[in-house]
Amino acid sequence: DAGVIQSPRHEVTEMGQEVTLRCKPISGHDYLFWYRQTMMRGLELLIYFNNNVPIDDSGMPEDRFSAKMPNASFSTLKIQPSEPRDSAVYFCASSSDRGEKLFFGSGTQLSVL
Amino acid sequence: GNSVTQMEGPVTLSEEAFLTINCTYTATGYPSLFWYVQYPGEGLQLLLKATKADDKGSNKGFEATYRKETTSFHLEKGSVQVSDSAVYFCALMLGTYKYIFGTGTRLKVLA
Repeated sequence: DAGVIQSPRHEVTEMGQEVTLRCKPISGHDYLFWYRQTMMRGLELLIYFNNNVPIDDSGMPEDRFSAKMPNASFSTLKIQPSEPRDSAVYFCASSSDRGEKLFFGSGTQLSVL
Repeated sequence: GNSVTQMEGPVTLSEEAFLTINCTYTATGYPSLFWYVQYPGEGLQLLLKATKADDKGSNKGFEATYRKETTSFHLEKGSVQVSDSAVYFCALMLGTYKYIFGTGTRLKVLA
């Protein structure tokens, strides 16, 4: 199994630009999570999906952030327009509905200049 | 509310030293408790878990016991190795797939 795959690994962009982060969960996993990790705030849950449906998006910081899961094997997190304070590592994780174990991708390091 | 508190890092130890990383939690209800580990440049990986009081989770020489009376889940290892250098996260989950993670404790093991 290839694990959770995220792309890109690194993204450097300028303030105001649109940023799209991508995630492919582990096949067969029903839950997909987007987390943001910063030194100041630690690991924060942004949103999670169950069977491609957003269940809880209360962690999404503001309307500039949006997430979609058009099918069971793909999700995107979009920031438009991006701001320097969005700089962080963004992780995608997936899980099956039979267990409590999260499988994390390697993350996307986002730098907004 | 629900929260997890971990000891501040970094923790620096010599190889073969004993490790304890403290974790306490506040929760309404009966959470499952976890330790995750993050190696440099990677995502978090589940290290061990415990789902009810007095359960002991163990993996790769690490152990943690779910102590309901002290609301704690301290991570221990008898003899650390350089390869254990990483960031360790304590976490709880209360039945909704909504994990709450601690802020992480960086461990540095010197040869």
